[in-house]
Amino acid sequence: AQKITQTQPGMFVQEKEAVTLDCTYDTSDQSYGLFWYKQPSSGEMIFLIYQGSYDEQNATEGRYSLNFQKARKSANLVISASQLGDSAMYFCAMRAGSARQLTFGSGTQLTVLP
Amino acid sequence: NAGVTQTPKFRVLKTGQSMTLLCAQDMNHEYMYWYRQDPGMGLRLIHYSVGEGTTAKGEVPDGYNVSRLKKQNFLLGLESAAPSQTSVYFCASRQGGGPYEQYFGPGTRLTVT
Repeated sequence: AQKITQTQPGMFVQEKEAVTLDCTYDTSDQSYGLFWYKQPSSGEMIFLIYQGSYDEQNATEGRYSLNFQKARKSANLVISASQLGDSAMYFCAMRAGSARQLTFGSGTQLTVLP
Repeated sequence: NAGVTQTPKFRVLKTGQSMTLLCAQDMNHEYMYWYRQDPGMGLRLIHYSVGEGTTAKGEVPDGYNVSRLKKQNFLLGLESAAPSQTSVYFCASRQGGGPYEQYFGPGTRLTVT
């Protein structure tokens, strides 16, 4: 079975600073993928970034990067130069092996302070 | 290109009533999913479908039924609603091969009194 753990229920960051949101995962599969989604207060789920288990480089998408440490089974999201619009709930998710569905963590509520 | 749409956006039911939530996608995606999101929890998979005419149970299927008669539509039914089914329901879809990104609908907020 797959499991995603997000240990930070809430985080605060000052505008323009960088912030790291933690995510650890557990799977026995060699092939898997890790995702981060953003959920603003309006409720929609927005895909941010993806990392495959065989990808050698850490994924980056604009101000988002994924700090993938395979040996530690962690896939932390780094947001650089935080903006007020980054305030939202952030979910880490995993697809493992032949599974056709994602397993989600419980989320981290990020608040960006002006 | 509307992406993934959900109908209705809000609904209030009384215990024991039934209803159907409709999810539609216009991206020709093979896979479709129904999740529920409860306060303080991540999304939990109710049912999913890997193609027209096929469905499978997810993590929390009890009390729900689904159908995928057309590739673009995925219906979630509640035969006899219970207060424990008060939640926000999300539909998602993705293409058959990689990447495996799921595209989500805007959600349906359901309250069962």
